[in-house]
Amino acid sequence: ETGVTQSPTHLIKTRGQQVTLRCSSQSGHNTVSWYQQALGQGPQFIFQYYREEENGRGNFPPRFSGLQFPNYSSELNVNALELDDSALYLCASSSGGGVAYEQYFGPGTRLTVT
Amino acid sequence: EDKVVQSPLSLVVHEGDTVTLNCSYEVTNFRSLLWYKQEKKAPTFLFMLTSSGIEKKSGRLSSILDKKELFSILNITATQTGDSAVYLCAVVDYGGSQGNLIFGKGTKLSVKP
Repeated sequence: ETGVTQSPTHLIKTRGQQVTLRCSSQSGHNTVSWYQQALGQGPQFIFQYYREEENGRGNFPPRFSGLQFPNYSSELNVNALELDDSALYLCASSSGGGVAYEQYFGPGTRLTVT
Repeated sequence: EDKVVQSPLSLVVHEGDTVTLNCSYEVTNFRSLLWYKQEKKAPTFLFMLTSSGIEKKSGRLSSILDKKELFSILNITATQTGDSAVYLCAVVDYGGSQGNLIFGKGTKLSVKP
């Protein structure tokens, strides 16, 4: 059984650019959630995908968007990057079926916007 | 506004000490409360608590939930340097069909030899 994986590990972008982060869910999990963790803060919920559809969204602007694929892997896209987007981006997978179970996190992608 | 508050924000102890970490919450659609340990990047799951008054235990770690007073505690006995980490408390907000996690800011625990 493989755990949650994310790519890339870290990257540096310039303000105004666009970025795509990727997440492969743990085997058997059909739900992927994305979180943003700024330095010294707890993770903040961005959105969740369940069976390829967005299933809940936190307080993030529309320039944060996502996708989930038939194999349940997921992408997080951020357009028009701002300096405050610099953070650790975590994805977490879980098996749902309508009930929230414990979520398992990937190692994260460290994004730096200059 | 839903929120999860952890205290203290940081704590320094010596090996062998016992620590208690606190988590209080105000979440409208509460489902369950989870504790995570975050050492470098990925938070690792410790406990999920759904029912009041039932202690969950794993080795030197234990946790309990009080749904009347809206808080949980995480106890670590006989602390070791390997326990040094940020401990995150999160509440499952069941607003969507799957639920999402509302995190506190974490408690940074440093265990000195």
